[in-house]
Amino acid sequence: AQSVTQLDSHVSVSEGTPVLLRCNYSSSYSPSLFWYVQHPNKGLQLLLKYTSAATLVKGINGFEAEFKKSETSFHLTKPSAHMSDAAEYFCVVRYTGGFKTIFGAGTRLFVKA
Amino acid sequence: DGGITQSPKYLFRKEGQNVTLSCEQNLNHDAMYWYRQDPGQGLRLIYYSQIVNDFQKGDIAEGYSVSREKKESFPLTVTSAQKNPTAFYLCASSSFSGGDQPQHFGDGTRLSIL
Repeated sequence: AQSVTQLDSHVSVSEGTPVLLRCNYSSSYSPSLFWYVQHPNKGLQLLLKYTSAATLVKGINGFEAEFKKSETSFHLTKPSAHMSDAAEYFCVVRYTGGFKTIFGAGTRLFVKA
Repeated sequence: DGGITQSPKYLFRKEGQNVTLSCEQNLNHDAMYWYRQDPGQGLRLIYYSQIVNDFQKGDIAEGYSVSREKKESFPLTVTSAQKNPTAFYLCASSSFSGGDQPQHFGDGTRLSIL
């Protein structure tokens, strides 16, 4: 079955240190992968997307993600966390030829001063 | 600016009452979606529509109904048959339902029981 797994429900970092949010997906020929961010009582905002072009994808607010087919992973990183990055992050996958959008359970990022 | 507008932001439902959540988009998108979000959980699909006058059930459609009479509008009705309606409801749209198109989200409606 198609699935996406966010490996950490919570991640806590200090301001100015790197961020790593991990995401694995079930193998498929041509997945499209997305990362979204959600601040409290808000909708989801697109951070970045991978759609079979470059494997390293740069997004907004300094975030980037690397598509690794051999590891079926699409981890989200940022070199230096900011207090405003504290939010919930969702990894999302869609498969070519299919309609269904599969959301991960989310990772809550805490940023300590 | 183009976007998705959901209203109201907060809504309260009495026992036995139907309530309707509004979703309007000015992005000229063909596909629209309704999701339910519960604390600590990901999003679950309620209904989606790929074109005007057509819609399909998602994973948790029981107790909900929708209509798609106009391209820009996709209202969701939470009926009295939905016994646990308290949740955060998100509406989304995409340019078409193909796999590489991201969905754009509104800011949600929080529904609570009185």
